[in-house]
Amino acid sequence: KAGVTQTPRYLIKTRGQQVTLSCSPISGHRSVSWYQQTPGQGLQFLFEYFSETQRNKGNFPGRFSGRQFSNSRSEMNVSTLELGDSALYLCASTGTASSMNTEAFFGQGTRLTVV
Amino acid sequence: GDSVTQMEGPVTLSEEAFLTINCTYTATGYPSLFWYVQYPGEGLQLLLKATKADDKGSNKGFEATYRKETTSFHLEKGSVQVSDSAVYFCALIDNYGQNFVFGPGTRLSVLP
Repeated sequence: KAGVTQTPRYLIKTRGQQVTLSCSPISGHRSVSWYQQTPGQGLQFLFEYFSETQRNKGNFPGRFSGRQFSNSRSEMNVSTLELGDSALYLCASTGTASSMNTEAFFGQGTRLTVV
Repeated sequence: GDSVTQMEGPVTLSEEAFLTINCTYTATGYPSLFWYVQYPGEGLQLLLKATKADDKGSNKGFEATYRKETTSFHLEKGSVQVSDSAVYFCALIDNYGQNFVFGPGTRLSVLP
């Protein structure tokens, strides 16, 4: 079956702009999580959605937001981009309400560069 | 809050050498523990996991045992291959299973 699909793979944006990233989970999966990966901070949790509801949010400013649609596809948005937002953004999907006993599948990520 | 600590490396080994990557965690409750691997240009792939104390996860020759008494989940492999070169992340997930907490990652390079 198809894996987690993130689009686009690469993005270059200018400071002050906004950006929207997309994640299509594995068919049938209802939970989608987003992570930011940077060389300095490593992998940090952004937010998690289950059945269109945000259940959990990491410690990021309000410029970072997300949503999930009825087909479980998710988008995250970053407004007023800063240089420090340059990162690899990873999306993960799981088939159940909890990742404890199931596998979380990660996409290949979107590489965002802010110039 | 919950946290994961692991040796950051980089770790450079010769092919067929023994590998250990140390991982310790701090968490309330009884988290599940994971090792994920990231190859260049790729996302994360689950390598192995353990959901309760004394469980041993294993896959592709890699092993790790959930040690509650030492809050550790060290990754081991008896004989590494060049194809094992990647970044390895130790992670935990809390009782609610809603988000992972990752360690900083350990870059492994295996030389022929």
